[in-house]
Amino acid sequence: KAGVTQTPRYLIKTRGQQVTLSCSPISGHRSVSWYQQTPGQGLQFLFEYFSETQRNKGNFPGRFSGRQFSNSRSEMNVSTLELGDSALYLCASRWGEYGYTFGSGTRLTVV
Amino acid sequence: AQTVTQSQPEMSVQEAETVTLSCTYDTSESDYYLFWYKQPPSRQMILVIRQEAYKQQNATENRFSVNFQKAAKSFSLKISDSQLGDAAMYFCAYRIGNTGNQFYFGTGTSLTVIP
Repeated sequence: KAGVTQTPRYLIKTRGQQVTLSCSPISGHRSVSWYQQTPGQGLQFLFEYFSETQRNKGNFPGRFSGRQFSNSRSEMNVSTLELGDSALYLCASRWGEYGYTFGSGTRLTVV
Repeated sequence: AQTVTQSQPEMSVQEAETVTLSCTYDTSESDYYLFWYKQPPSRQMILVIRQEAYKQQNATENRFSVNFQKAAKSFSLKISDSQLGDAAMYFCAYRIGNTGNQFYFGTGTSLTVIP
């Protein structure tokens, strides 16, 4: 059974650009959540999607957005990139009450 | 506010010995879940163990066990017979039970296993 797949693994962008990250959940998982991990702030919740609807959103500016497709794949978009957006972005898919599985993340570097 | 505190940024243990990682949390909720996740250099967060707050019995998964003290809001992880593969960053996490799909993570403890 394939795990949670995040692409790309690494990304380098310039300040002011925008970026789209992709997350393919485990087959059958309908919930996808996104987290930002930085050395200074640790792991912070971005948002969660379930059946193409955003159910919950963390305390991030509107430059951070996401969506989920009918096949449960999710994308996260960050517009007008800032140096502080450099981070590891983790995606997690869920089944049932406990079955969260994380991907290996996308390492975004903004220069 | 939901907060999770891990007061030990770094810990080390001799191979085959036992180590305990500390975690405290703050919540006014009565229904919640607690987790320990491991993040090796591969970056993937791997579930080590979970505990439902309504269960008094401490969870155990092979060499991993927890000491859950609900009144003290403490949730420590004990790793017995430590192995080299246990070396990783360990995160304590909390999630509200009935509606919560959001994890609140601690800042992590970096565990080194000494051969």
